[in-house]
Amino acid sequence: ELKVEQNPLFLSMQEGKNYTIYCNYSTTSDRLYWYRQDPGKSLESLFVLLSNGAVKQEGRLMASLDTKARLSTLHITAAVHDLSATYFCAVVPITGNQFYFGTGTSLTVIP
Amino acid sequence: GAVVSQHPSWVICKSGTSVKIECRSLDFQATTMFWYRQFPKQSLMLMATSNEGSKATYEQGVEKDKFLINHASLTLSTLTVTSAHPEDSSFYICSASGQSNTEAFFGQGTRLTVV
Repeated sequence: ELKVEQNPLFLSMQEGKNYTIYCNYSTTSDRLYWYRQDPGKSLESLFVLLSNGAVKQEGRLMASLDTKARLSTLHITAAVHDLSATYFCAVVPITGNQFYFGTGTSLTVIP
Repeated sequence: GAVVSQHPSWVICKSGTSVKIECRSLDFQATTMFWYRQFPKQSLMLMATSNEGSKATYEQGVEKDKFLINHASLTLSTLTVTSAHPEDSSFYICSASGQSNTEAFFGQGTRLTVV
């Protein structure tokens, strides 16, 4: 059974602090995605990582992919309240085209 | 990015009735569409994958006779929840990918409430 696990599940952090969210997956894959979801809304694409060692940055968020370790990270730098949301990673197995989502990380940034 | 439009945004229906949800790719040809269900404070669960012109592939545990998926054209897929019951109440999200397949674009989601 394919598993995509995120850690932590819930995260409360103060503005200005840094933190990393981890995404571990159990299948062979070279495609990993990060999404943001606000309450009651659909998904917003943040990053598309398509190769081992890929690193992408947008604003205060940076994502990386290590396909050998089957691990992706989403690093938050100097958090601000606007980053409060639920973050999902999704992996596409090398043998297919379906997106399998992680458990999600609910982030609350406290002023 | 490409635009995927899902309709309706929310629907309330009576138990025992059927509900159809549409998912359209507005500016690209969607060779593959995916349907997900999301319960409150949970992750997205893949229900089925549909390729244009062929039968949908359902994930284990998803009843294909209850959740009818049609992908008749390269821009439209529909999900029909037949004989809906309160436990079918959920947030349903579609996504679509084109020929390159490297990215999927998500619809706005449909909140279904069965009373």
